[in-house]
Amino acid sequence: EAQVTQNPRYLITVTGKKLTVTCSQNMNHEYMSWYRQDPGLGLRQIYYSMNVEVTDKGDVPEGYKVSRKEKRNFPLILESPSPNQTSLYFCASSLLSRLNTEAFFGQGTRLTVV
Amino acid sequence: AQKVTQAQTEISVVEKEDVTLDCVYETRDTTYYLFWYKQPPSGELVFLIRRNSFDEQNEISGRYSWNFQKSTSSFNFTITASQVVDSAVYFCALRLNFGNEKLTFGTGTRLTIIP
Repeated sequence: EAQVTQNPRYLITVTGKKLTVTCSQNMNHEYMSWYRQDPGLGLRQIYYSMNVEVTDKGDVPEGYKVSRKEKRNFPLILESPSPNQTSLYFCASSLLSRLNTEAFFGQGTRLTVV
Repeated sequence: AQKVTQAQTEISVVEKEDVTLDCVYETRDTTYYLFWYKQPPSGELVFLIRRNSFDEQNEISGRYSWNFQKSTSSFNFTITASQVVDSAVYFCALRLNFGNEKLTFGTGTRLTIIP
């Protein structure tokens, strides 16, 4: 089954404690990205990757890191989480848009930083 | 820069009524894609439809229909004979055909179907 898998689904952590949210896709997609969803703001892109070892900032990258060492994996790293990073996070993958396909989303990770 | 506006923050209708969710977008590009996603209470994002900028045909899928009008930069979504299972947050999104192919989302419309 084609899917994007995020882990964990729920996470409560304390300010400053490094954490990683994993994302893996099994569709051989080149493009992967991370979004955060906040009330009244919709989803905003954090980082994206157009292929292995190619990553770049999205609209709200501060406080986040990513890596793309393998095509299927795109982890999101919070080196020193702060309460303003409490949010619902989604990983997405897709073929490049010239092929006119939709993005597939993971199930979401609800992060609370206290 | 591109922008998507969903002016309706929340809508409530009684079951079996028809409801239209509005989406207005802004972009200077001529090639782009428009999407609708559904987010049910369980939280995941469910893809509903994709439309490219060169295809202005309206589409119907069961009780769902979409009206794409480039002249007004709108991509509205209508649910006919609404059901309780349609209760969700609906997002409209825009994606360009070059560069960072991110989805630019609207702020979403929370639809509540009252039994």
